Amino acid sequence: DTAVSQTPKYLVTQMGNDKSIKCEQNLGHDTMYWYKQDSKKFLKIMFSYNNKELIINETVPNRFSPKSPDKAHLNLHINSLELGDSAVYFCASSQVVGPAGNTIYFGEGSWLTVV
Amino acid sequence: AQSVTQLDSQVPVFEEAPVELRCNYSSSVSVYLFWYVQYPNQGLQLLLKYLSGSTLVKGINGFEAEFNKSQTSFHLRKPSVHISDTAEYFCAVNRDDKIIFGKGTRLHILP
Repeated sequence: DTAVSQTPKYLVTQMGNDKSIKCEQNLGHDTMYWYKQDSKKFLKIMFSYNNKELIINETVPNRFSPKSPDKAHLNLHINSLELGDSAVYFCASSQVVGPAGNTIYFGEGSWLTVV
Repeated sequence: AQSVTQLDSQVPVFEEAPVELRCNYSSSVSVYLFWYVQYPNQGLQLLLKYLSGSTLVKGINGFEAEFNKSQTSFHLRKPSVHISDTAEYFCAVNRDDKIIFGKGTRLHILP
């Protein structure tokens, strides 16, 4: 059973389109995250949710809107896609708020290419 | 503010040779330190973490790391690498409610 699953794994789309990436975790964790990994492999946190409540928003453009219908799901919707949005997006979860001492479990990643 | 620096972007090592991947952190308070591994086209998985106690931490796949407070380092080591260890390795530190990752070190195993 996949602990953190995200779909789609690969997504190629044109500039200006709107797309969503879905994420689900079956670990019973309270906290979920979205990270962005650029072409140089640099990982940066975008959002963090705890029990459906937004707790971290790292000055991400308003075109990115996370939605958490319940604590097991955290979806990422992106409006008006730009070339610079091309990256790998990782969903992750951890047991409690904050990673202090807690292991973060990552999904397999969603490769987004904007053309 | 807490951060981590991985000095080497790439480390080539011959198979069965030992390896050390360097990580230095900056923090004025107690830290939790992590090493994650990312195999090609996959997500990240935890190798090991330091929370407190013994400064030598053992992880999965034969890796270990040593927390050195005086040198603010948390270097990752393995005595004998295998071709399957080819991956990107990320050192990380907690800050506020999130983990901050280093820029990664690509371990390249030479036959």
